[in-house]
Amino acid sequence: GAGVSQSPRYKVAKRGQDVALRCDPISGHVSLFWYQQALGQGPEFLTYFQNEAQLDKSGLPSDRFFAERPEGSVSTLKIQRTQQEDSAVYLCASSSYTGQETQYFGPGTRLLVL
Amino acid sequence: ILNVEQSPQSLHVQEGDSTNFTCSFPSSNFYALHWYRWETAKSPEALFVMTLNGDEKKKGRISATLNTKEGYSYLYIKGSQPEDSATYLCARYTDKLIFGTGTRLQVFP
Repeated sequence: GAGVSQSPRYKVAKRGQDVALRCDPISGHVSLFWYQQALGQGPEFLTYFQNEAQLDKSGLPSDRFFAERPEGSVSTLKIQRTQQEDSAVYLCASSSYTGQETQYFGPGTRLLVL
Repeated sequence: ILNVEQSPQSLHVQEGDSTNFTCSFPSSNFYALHWYRWETAKSPEALFVMTLNGDEKKKGRISATLNTKEGYSYLYIKGSQPEDSATYLCARYTDKLIFGTGTRLQVFP
């Protein structure tokens, strides 16, 4: 079956521009996660949804970051007024129920803010 | 250990060599330890989810062990092949996955 997909794969934004990153999880997966991976680092947790409920947003670095999953399937991560430090790979993952189980990752969106 | 740490940071081996990496993590409040393989331009691929002290898991030429009391896990690759070249990430699960920085493996033919 289809895995987790993300779009766009690459995004170049000018500083101050708003961007929206999309994640299509595996169909039927309850849990969805967003991670940010800066160069040379491991992925860092941003936020977690169980169905449409955002249960944990403790990793979002500032109030410029906003995520939603309104119908419990597709999710969008929005970054307002992008800054250079937002340049990173943004990974989305889904799991069938909890985060303790195997998480299936998408290929990521590589964001470059100039 | 306060964070998830992986060593070595990078590794270069010849085809056919066996190799192993270490993941160290806080031993308190342990729920699960995940291993992932991430090839360039692809999605991270789940290798193992380990929960019990003394767990050993195997997938082809790759195996892993877990010691939750002392807070470490080893990943072994037997007879490395060029297609094993990737970054290997471990992550400790409490209420979220906390990743290490990975071990970058390059296998030369």
